[in-house]
Amino acid sequence: EVQLVQSGAYVKKPGESLKISCKASGYSLTSYWIGWVRQMPGKGLEWMGIIYPGDSDTRYSPSFQGQVTISADKSISTAYLQWSSLKASDTAMYYCAKSLRGWSAFDIWGQGTMVTVSS
Amino acid sequence: EIVLTQSPGTLSLSPGERATLSCRASQSVSSSYLAWYQQKPGQAPRLLIYGASSRATGIPDRFSGSGSGTDFTLTISRLEPEDFAVYYCQQYGSSPPDTFGQGTKLEIK
Repeated sequence: EVQLVQSGAYVKKPGESLKISCKASGYSLTSYWIGWVRQMPGKGLEWMGIIYPGDSDTRYSPSFQGQVTISADKSISTAYLQWSSLKASDTAMYYCAKSLRGWSAFDIWGQGTMVTVSS
Repeated sequence: EIVLTQSPGTLSLSPGERATLSCRASQSVSSSYLAWYQQKPGQAPRLLIYGASSRATGIPDRFSGSGSGTDFTLTISRLEPEDFAVYYCQQYGSSPPDTFGQGTKLEIK
C-alpha cells in the first residue's frame, strides 16, 4: 500500500526551530515529486513547495521562499519541512502529498502534522 | 501566480440533488492541469479529479469534471450523504507556484 506517514504534533515557542517529516512507503520516493501544503486553522489549502527526491530539485511558492526549507533523504524514503525560527503565524496543519505522475495533482496525502507555535 | 476563484462559497443542497461547483482561473491553465479535492473535517484532502476531467482511482462516477482555459466545473450528479464536505480546485504543472482555490463548502440543506 502506498502511504505517507507524517511525524506527530508539535507545540513550540516563537523563535524555535523545527523539522517535520513525511515517510513514504509502498513506492520509490525518488520517482515522484512530493509537495507540502499548509492549512491554517479553519482556512483553506496553501501550496508551499515541492521536491523531486531523485535529484533534490526543489521549488517554492514565493509566499514561503526563505521562510521554510524542503528537503529529502532518499536513503530512508523521507521528506522534510523545516523552519529555523518559528512564528505564531506558522501555527497550522501541514500536509505532505505525493504527485500522481510527473509534476501533477497530489494523489496520496499524509495524515497531517499539527504545529502550534505559542509563547 | 494564477489565482483560482471558487463559487459559490457555500452550496446548500439535499441528498439526491445535483451539485455544480465552479472554479475560475485568473489566466489560462495550461493543458487543463486542474484538479479537484474533497476534504472532510479532521481528514486530509482526497483527490477526485485531475487533468480537469479524469477521475482518480476509486472515485465514484457520480463525480465528473469539465472545462478548459479559465473555467472549470465539478459536478456531482446525485448527492450522497457522504459527499457533504469542502471542495478545492488546484492548478498545477506550470512554473510554481501551484495554487488552490479558496474552497466551496457543500452542506446539507
